[in-house]
Amino acid sequence: TQLLEQSPQFLSIQEGENLTVYCNSSSVFSSLQWYRQEPGEGPVLLVTVVTGGEVKKLKRLTFQFGDARKDSSLHITAAQPGDTGLYLCAGAKRRSGQAGTALIFGKGTTLSVSS
Amino acid sequence: ETGVTQTPRHLVMGMTNKKSLKCEQHLGHNAMYWYKQSAKKPLELMFVYSLEERVENNSVPSRFSPECPNSSHLFLHLHTLQPEDSALYLCASSQGLGGYEQYFGPGTRLTVT
Repeated sequence: TQLLEQSPQFLSIQEGENLTVYCNSSSVFSSLQWYRQEPGEGPVLLVTVVTGGEVKKLKRLTFQFGDARKDSSLHITAAQPGDTGLYLCAGAKRRSGQAGTALIFGKGTTLSVSS
Repeated sequence: ETGVTQTPRHLVMGMTNKKSLKCEQHLGHNAMYWYKQSAKKPLELMFVYSLEERVENNSVPSRFSPECPNSSHLFLHLHTLQPEDSALYLCASSQGLGGYEQYFGPGTRLTVT
């Protein structure tokens, strides 16, 4: 059972278009992070959201954490070829029976932006 | 530059070989992680080290053996691997354990023949 579902799995758009990708779960997370991974590289942290309903903006990227802290969305305005990559969400969740929290990753959304 | 480096970037090894992956973080973090990334699967957490002590081992086969000699270095020793072990192996570090923001290295692309 996948704890964090990301949709769509693949997205191919033209430069200048807007898009939204989603990260959904039935579990509550103490925080949620978004990463972008380019081919042959490791994931790079984009943002962390902590409070339910929180909205963060990073230039053309807008991240929202759901009110119940179970889901999140990433909206990109006027996409550019440089936005191409794998977008991963990761939720922080307390580990059952153990101390501390664990970071649970989704499978990601592969975005391709063509010029 | 992420502050986390990994070597080698690419590795091809036979099933009877022994090799090691190296990770070094220059961020002053106190926790380090090994992940496995395979096609069509989420990132799989393999091992977690906090202050050089292994705090998590997620049912990883014994053919993978981690080592953390100090808080800046992490190794993954490999022996008698299987073809299904071919994947991208990612190292990450964080200041604080578990759900804190993690900073990844570029990964080692491993192919087992």
